[in-house]
Amino acid sequence: GAVVSQHPSRVICKSGTSVKIECRSLDFQATTMFWYRQFPKKSLMLMATSNEGSKATYEQGVEKDKFLINHASLTLSTLTVTSAHPEDSSFYICSASGASGLATQYFGPGTRLLVL
Amino acid sequence: QQQVKQSPQSLIVQKGGISIINCAYENTAFDYFPWYQQFPGKGPALLIAIRPDVSEKKEGRFTISFNKSAKQFSLHIMDSQPGDSATYFCAASSTGNQFYFGTGTSLTVIP
Repeated sequence: GAVVSQHPSRVICKSGTSVKIECRSLDFQATTMFWYRQFPKKSLMLMATSNEGSKATYEQGVEKDKFLINHASLTLSTLTVTSAHPEDSSFYICSASGASGLATQYFGPGTRLLVL
Repeated sequence: QQQVKQSPQSLIVQKGGISIINCAYENTAFDYFPWYQQFPGKGPALLIAIRPDVSEKKEGRFTISFNKSAKQFSLHIMDSQPGDSATYFCAASSTGNQFYFGTGTSLTVIP
C-alpha cells in the first residue's frame, strides 16, 4: 500500500516553455501533498505544501507564480514550472500523506527536469 | 537553522558489518521520526519510523534507537549488504506538520 506515482519520470524542454508534473496517490486519499526539489547529492528542499481544495503554501524563496501547484482532488496534485529556464533543471519529488494527524509521507519516484 | 542534524555525511562499511547513522534535533514538539532510503534517481522510500514513547524499534536488519532526553535518534543496519548502499535521510515532525529532513548520509557497503 501507500503508492505514489509521478509523471513524467523525466522531461527535457526548451527554455521559456512550461512543464507540468503530475503526482498521484494510487491507493489512498492524500489530504496533503508536498513538493520537493533535490539537487545532486543534497537533501530534500521543501517547495510547497498543498491541501486538497485549497491554495498551496509556499516556502520562503519559492516563487508561487513560477511554480504553480494545484491539488484538485484527494489523489492528484500537479506542479507546473512556468517559463522554465536552465536553472530550473532539477529533480522534483512529490510526497503525499493521508488524513490529518496521520504521520508519514510517501514519496513518488521523482521527475528529472532538464531545461535546455 | 537546521532543525535536524545528521551525521556522518558519508559512511563506508564492510559487508556484514553494522552501519550506524545518527541524528539530533532541538524541537521537543517533534513526535515522529522516520528514516528514508533513497537510491540514485529514485524517490525516498520509508524504511522505518519511531515515536518517542518507545526507545527502540526493530524491523528486520534495521533498528531505530531513540534517546528522548538527549534528543537523538539513530539508525542501525545490521549485517550490512552491498544492496544497502544508498543515501539515508532522517526526518522529524510534529504530527500533521511538515517534515524536517537531515542532510543525508551516503552509505557504501563494500563486498
